[in-house]
Amino acid sequence: EAGVTQSPTHLIKTRGQQVTLRCSPISGHTSVYWYQQALGLGLQFLLWYDEGEERNRGNFPPRFSGRQFPNYSSELNVNALELEDSALYLCASSVQDRVSSGANVLTFGAGSRLTVL
Amino acid sequence: RKEVEQDPGPFNVPEGATVAFNCTYSNSASQSFFWYRQDCRKEPKLLMSVYSSGNEDGRFTAQLNRASQYISLLIRDSKLSDSATYLCAVRVLTGGFKTIFGAGTRLFVKA
Repeated sequence: EAGVTQSPTHLIKTRGQQVTLRCSPISGHTSVYWYQQALGLGLQFLLWYDEGEERNRGNFPPRFSGRQFPNYSSELNVNALELEDSALYLCASSVQDRVSSGANVLTFGAGSRLTVL
Repeated sequence: RKEVEQDPGPFNVPEGATVAFNCTYSNSASQSFFWYRQDCRKEPKLLMSVYSSGNEDGRFTAQLNRASQYISLLIRDSKLSDSATYLCAVRVLTGGFKTIFGAGTRLFVKA
């Protein structure tokens, strides 16, 4: 069974540019989560999508946005890149996240490492 | 105050040692608790979920104290391969579910 796949694995951009990162969840998973992990820091929650809808958002500016497609894959878009956006962007998926789902385990992809110069 | 706090370490221990990590969380409505392991420049991977009654998986034991709002991870008989960063994670319901991670505790096991 294929795991969570992300693309691209590495990319370099300059300040002010825009970037789109892609994520394909595990088959059967409908929830997709995006996290930012800057060097030496912990995972910061960015976005959660489920069934094509944005369900929750972390404390990030509006230039961080995304969407989820009918096949549950997802994109993360970052506009007007800043130097501090340099980080590992991790996508995770899970079965549908519901109140009754108990311990909702996240499975992560290998990440997209973004460098902003 | 951070929602999930961990001692960043690093913990440097010899092979065979027992090491314990603690993690505190601030949201009393937290619902689920986990320990993840992250190797250098890799993605986090689930080590174990943490249940109210405590649970064990081989050399690893996790415990939850809801009253004091902390969870712990005990590693017995440390192996070189246990060297990694251990992330505490808490699932909370605030405007929708989200899983919040601590910054991680680094463990180095030496021969």
